[in-house]
Amino acid sequence: KNQVEQSPQSLIILEGKNCTLQCNYTVSPFSNLRWYKQDTGRGPVSLTIMTFSENTKSNGRYTATLDADTKQSSLHITASQLSDSASYICVVSAQRGSTLGRLYFGRGTQLTVWP
Amino acid sequence: DGGITQSPKYLFRKEGQNVTLSCEQNLNHDAMYWYRQDPGQGLRLIYYSQIVNDFQKGDIAEGYSVSREKKESFPLTVTSAQKNPTAFYLCASSIGWRGKNIQYFGAGTRLSVL
Repeated sequence: KNQVEQSPQSLIILEGKNCTLQCNYTVSPFSNLRWYKQDTGRGPVSLTIMTFSENTKSNGRYTATLDADTKQSSLHITASQLSDSASYICVVSAQRGSTLGRLYFGRGTQLTVWP
Repeated sequence: DGGITQSPKYLFRKEGQNVTLSCEQNLNHDAMYWYRQDPGQGLRLIYYSQIVNDFQKGDIAEGYSVSREKKESFPLTVTSAQKNPTAFYLCASSIGWRGKNIQYFGAGTRLSVL
């Protein structure tokens, strides 16, 4: 069964600290993996996207890693800011022949940054 | 100001009533999508459209209907057949529907039942 599991479910850190969010998936055949940031009551915004051949990608203070062999990804946030408080969603895309690249969504990690 | 516009931001439905959620994009994207988000759940695909005048059911299409008469518009109707419509609805679009196409999301519509 194609699934995307994220951990932890929620996380609280102090401003300025680093943190790492985890994503494990069983989606096959794998196409790409995306991390989205969703502020409360808003739509998700793309942070990174990685294909099979990419094992790291950065976007400012956000760095995503991908291990396609173990089917794991992580999102590392450096020097956290209050504005980083949001839900971070891992999304895995599967290829299915000529049809839609099906997306599988994790439930998200709710990050809270305290001053 | 380019992007995806969803309206209204909040919507209330009475018993037995159909309601329509609006989604407009000016990104010139071919593909558009509707998702439903419930607390503690991942996004679930309701309907998607790869091109004008074509749309396909997603995983939870029962009780919903869509149309795609114009490239920039993809309205979602929540019918009275949808018995549990309270949720956060997200519309998205992408240039195409293959490969690494990034989906851009609207700000969402929160639907509640009176």
